[in-house]
Amino acid sequence: AQSVTQPDIHITVSEGASLELRCNYSYGATPYLFWYVQSPGQGLQLLLKYFSGDTLVQGIKGFEAEFKRSQSSFNLRKPSVHWSDAAEYFCAVGALTGGGNKLTFGTGTQLKVEL
Amino acid sequence: DVKVTQSSRYLVKRTGEKVFLECVQDMDHENMFWYRQDPGLGLRLIYFSYDVKMKEKGDIPEGYSVSREKKERFSLILESASTNQTSMYLCASSLPGTATPGAFFGQGTRLTVV
Repeated sequence: AQSVTQPDIHITVSEGASLELRCNYSYGATPYLFWYVQSPGQGLQLLLKYFSGDTLVQGIKGFEAEFKRSQSSFNLRKPSVHWSDAAEYFCAVGALTGGGNKLTFGTGTQLKVEL
Repeated sequence: DVKVTQSSRYLVKRTGEKVFLECVQDMDHENMFWYRQDPGLGLRLIYFSYDVKMKEKGDIPEGYSVSREKKERFSLILESASTNQTSMYLCASSLPGTATPGAFFGQGTRLTVV
């Protein structure tokens, strides 16, 4: 069975500073990996996804993530954080089952941005 | 624009009541999911469906059932609500297989069982 670990529960960064959120996954085959963001009181929005090919993927809002198979990681990065990036971030791994694509989520990282 | 709509943003129910949470998507997606979200636990999959009348248990199906009679609608049923089912419930939908662009989520229903 697949699993996702997000080791940082809370992270605080200053506006304009760089950001890296960590994600480690466990899955027996080639993973499908996702990062989602959830603003307070909102549903989840897809930031970016990795299926195959180039290991550095670009997403919306200036985010990028790098897939490293040797480290079973898919860390999310942003070169310069904006105050509006304060939210909770979830990493997820997808597995094909019964024709569907079951997503398993990590426990999330809460990002606080200091002005 | 892609849309997943959950019928209620907030619900308050009494212990022992039968509760229905409704979810509708307008994207003709085959897959639909129900998750519950609790602080510190992330999102945990309750049930999912990959076709009409088809369903599979997720990681925490106990105390829940689902119904999918039409492709666009996926209902989560709490047969006899209990206080430990107080939570945020999120519905999602996606295309099948490797072509899926990722799941699209509704706004969530915050259920309180008293």
